[in-house]
Amino acid sequence: KAGVTQTPRYLIKTRGQQVTLSCSPISGHRSVSWYQQTPGQGLQFLFEYFSETQRNKGNFPGRFSGRQFSNSRSEMNVSTLELGDSALYLCASSWGRSSYNSPLHFGNGTRLTVT
Amino acid sequence: AQSVTQLGSHVSVSEGALVLLRCNYSSSVPPYLFWYVQYPNQGLQLLLKYTSAATLVKGINGFEAEFKKSETSFHLTKPSAHMSDAAEYFCAVTAPEGAQKLVFGQGTRLTINP
Repeated sequence: KAGVTQTPRYLIKTRGQQVTLSCSPISGHRSVSWYQQTPGQGLQFLFEYFSETQRNKGNFPGRFSGRQFSNSRSEMNVSTLELGDSALYLCASSWGRSSYNSPLHFGNGTRLTVT
Repeated sequence: AQSVTQLGSHVSVSEGALVLLRCNYSSSVPPYLFWYVQYPNQGLQLLLKYTSAATLVKGINGFEAEFKKSETSFHLTKPSAHMSDAAEYFCAVTAPEGAQKLVFGQGTRLTINP
């Protein structure tokens, strides 16, 4: 069974631009979560989607948005990029709606560098 | 609200020595606890999870963790370290009701000395 696939693996953008990251969950998984990982802040929850609905959202500005499609694939978008948005963005999928009874399976991440 | 504290951002042990990575949690309700491992340039991989079935939880790669409610701890151990264990380890907590997200600790980078 294929794992969680995130594309692209690396991105370099300029301040003010916008970026879209893609995540394909494990087949059959209906829940997708996004996390931002930085050396200073560690792993921070961005949002969770289940059956195309955002179920939970972290404390990030409105520049960060996401969506989930009917095939469970998800995208996240960051507009008006800032230098502080440079991070590893991790996508995780799970079978069930809740991460506690359905452990998360992570992709290898997209490393975003903002210059 | 749940929170996790991992004591020691870096731990270094010799190959063959005991590995002990510390995790303390804070939760207003009985928690579900997890340990994840991250190898360089990769995502996180689940090592083990505690969901109240047993206080001693065995995971992959010889790791295990013991849930101690009185100490609010969930320390990760491995009797004998292997070079391949070098990675970053994250403790995470979630509550069985309410929040549907994992709250991660800051991580502990484990180095294995030959």
